[in-house]
Amino acid sequence: GAGVSQSPSNKVTEKGKDVELRCDPISGHTALYWYRQSLGQGLEFLIYFQGNSAPDKSGLPSDRFSAERTGGSVSTLTIQRTQQEDSAVYLCASSLTRSELFFGEGSRLTVL
Amino acid sequence: EDQVTQSPEALRLQEGESSSLNCSYTVSGLRGLFWYRQDPGKGPEFLFTLYSAGEEKEKERLKATLTKKESFLHITAPKPEDSATYLCAVHSGAGSYQLTFGKGTKLSVIP
Repeated sequence: GAGVSQSPSNKVTEKGKDVELRCDPISGHTALYWYRQSLGQGLEFLIYFQGNSAPDKSGLPSDRFSAERTGGSVSTLTIQRTQQEDSAVYLCASSLTRSELFFGEGSRLTVL
Repeated sequence: EDQVTQSPEALRLQEGESSSLNCSYTVSGLRGLFWYRQDPGKGPEFLFTLYSAGEEKEKERLKATLTKKESFLHITAPKPEDSATYLCAVHSGAGSYQLTFGKGTKLSVIP
């Protein structure tokens, strides 16, 4: 497809389990971002990848969160030992410039 | 710390009734102000980027303006399909490439 693809679209898990969220960016986009959108809150920056440079992890809320980007394309966000406060929509975006970010439809995570 | 405040939180308009959404910001060195539209269950969709005070951008019924402290999104003669949540975000020199988003204004246009 032409847009940013995220999977799964919905994930329900039990507290304490690990989850992996996947993002397939637009082909050729060198920049990739993960944001989190909680109910009633603004989008919260998590992590940024640019080409082969070291990622900017300054937004990750705890060491239970990690992300990798393989081959400069697909990215996986991993949350270990999930907590109820991790419930949110996780949005991935890619871009060629800082100006226009193209977002996927998000992965809705519910931690019971 | 960068801050973005959007008002009102929600706005109901009759079809054809023009209005404006506000985005107030506090940043250390604005590098860009962005407007996005978000439909329920979807990711945000880019609308505009503004870089300096006095700049204006237009797209169909939407016009975005920027001052040194705030931005307005003017909606002229809205239609029901303009119903969405409108998000404002800023990029400052303080961070790397991260955007700081406001909580959004939910716009409902009634036929």
